[in-house]
Amino acid sequence: DTGVSQNPRHKITKRGQNVTFRCDPISEHNRLYWYRQTLGQGPEFLTYFQNEAQLEKSRLLSDRFSAERPKGSFSTLEIQRTEQGDSAMYLCASSLVGASYNEQFFGPGTRLTVL
Amino acid sequence: DAKTTQPTSMDCAEGRAANLPCNHSTISGNEYVYWYRQIHSQGPQYIIHGLKNNETNEMASLIITEDRKSSTLILPHATLRDTAVYYCIALGSQLIWGAGTKLIIKP
Repeated sequence: DTGVSQNPRHKITKRGQNVTFRCDPISEHNRLYWYRQTLGQGPEFLTYFQNEAQLEKSRLLSDRFSAERPKGSFSTLEIQRTEQGDSAMYLCASSLVGASYNEQFFGPGTRLTVL
Repeated sequence: DAKTTQPTSMDCAEGRAANLPCNHSTISGNEYVYWYRQIHSQGPQYIIHGLKNNETNEMASLIITEDRKSSTLILPHATLRDTAVYYCIALGSQLIWGAGTKLIIKP
């Protein structure tokens, strides 16, 4: 399977702990996105990278959240000092900028539960 | 980034055409309209996109009004597996997603 993969698929943590999620995009894709989705809502944009450069961050992204894409391939999203309000599905997507259209391919998501 | 509005939910009988409307009255001239769908507990899946002209692929057809302020996604022969939440998005740098339309296909 050469689609977008995310690990872990599920994470349960206690409030105040740090968590890190990983996303592996489709190999030739140069753009990678992170979204957060809560029940009954559409995905909420968090940030995106083009290659290794983080080009845009949502103003909703607090300083407890940090994302990296060190070699322009996989990406990690870290949440420090988790809060119950961080409980959500975290989605990763990738796309190929410069292709005929900028379709985003999504991974299955990581479901975070903060107790 | 333009915001889109969609009905919260719709029903459609299996085998009939499902027509899902979307308003994007603030869309700018170079913003594409994208449609995705999300089946429960999965990541969103791309369906189709367009700029000005109507588009068709193996999944659906997209009708965009001449003023580009609204569009309609058409699933020509809906099946039970088309039950999902359908999102209409105007592509900008951030892809602003609304809550989508929950489409329920009934036998």
